[in-house]
Amino acid sequence: DSGVTQTPKHLITATGQRVTLRCSPRSGDLSVYWYQQSLDQGLQFLIQYYNGEERAKGNILERFSAQQFPDLHSELNLSSLELGDSALYFCASSVDEGAGSPLHFGNGTRLTVT
Amino acid sequence: QQPVQSPQAVILREGEDAVINCSSSKALYSVHWYRQKHGEAPVFLMILLKGGEQKGHEKISASFNEKKQQSSLYLTASQLSYSGTYFCGTEIMTGANNLFFGTGTRLTVIP
Repeated sequence: DSGVTQTPKHLITATGQRVTLRCSPRSGDLSVYWYQQSLDQGLQFLIQYYNGEERAKGNILERFSAQQFPDLHSELNLSSLELGDSALYFCASSVDEGAGSPLHFGNGTRLTVT
Repeated sequence: QQPVQSPQAVILREGEDAVINCSSSKALYSVHWYRQKHGEAPVFLMILLKGGEQKGHEKISASFNEKKQQSSLYLTASQLSYSGTYFCGTEIMTGANNLFFGTGTRLTVIP
């Protein structure tokens, strides 16, 4: 158990809808990263927050947004969903702002868009 | 910005060794290695930092060539439990905070 909690575990929704994925980082970790993993694909970096502030952006679509709250949990919002958004979305947390410390991954949220 | 991994897949018999490579076209600050078993979350193996510092498990070894922006993960005397997909992640400069992962190397260890 990494200590990172992601909810829900599974999400099935229709095209055009909006969903919110939630992540609670490991106790003491201030950084949260979001990754998208399509079927049998690699981990696509979406966005990173540190102590409530956005620190880095990757290949995140404009339809996607995220935030980190004062209690350090983070939410990833996906809107105007398309079939191609179906994927496993991972949240990871680490102690540091930079990538000099290990990332601890949650078990992911599997999103299916029908 | 995404690093390139090789090989894409490898099959080993128990006890054999393997090397997985990771390279970047950009100057790197850190290289991460993770293993993901099917249907599970990636698990941290090792970090190699510019300057030579390493953080990770004692049984895992890796190298980081700062001049060539390349890293290699060495798996020796492989066990069935080593099976999975190995990802390298690279941070291209300190403070950038982005950690981009390669496409992975699928390792299968057979009896």
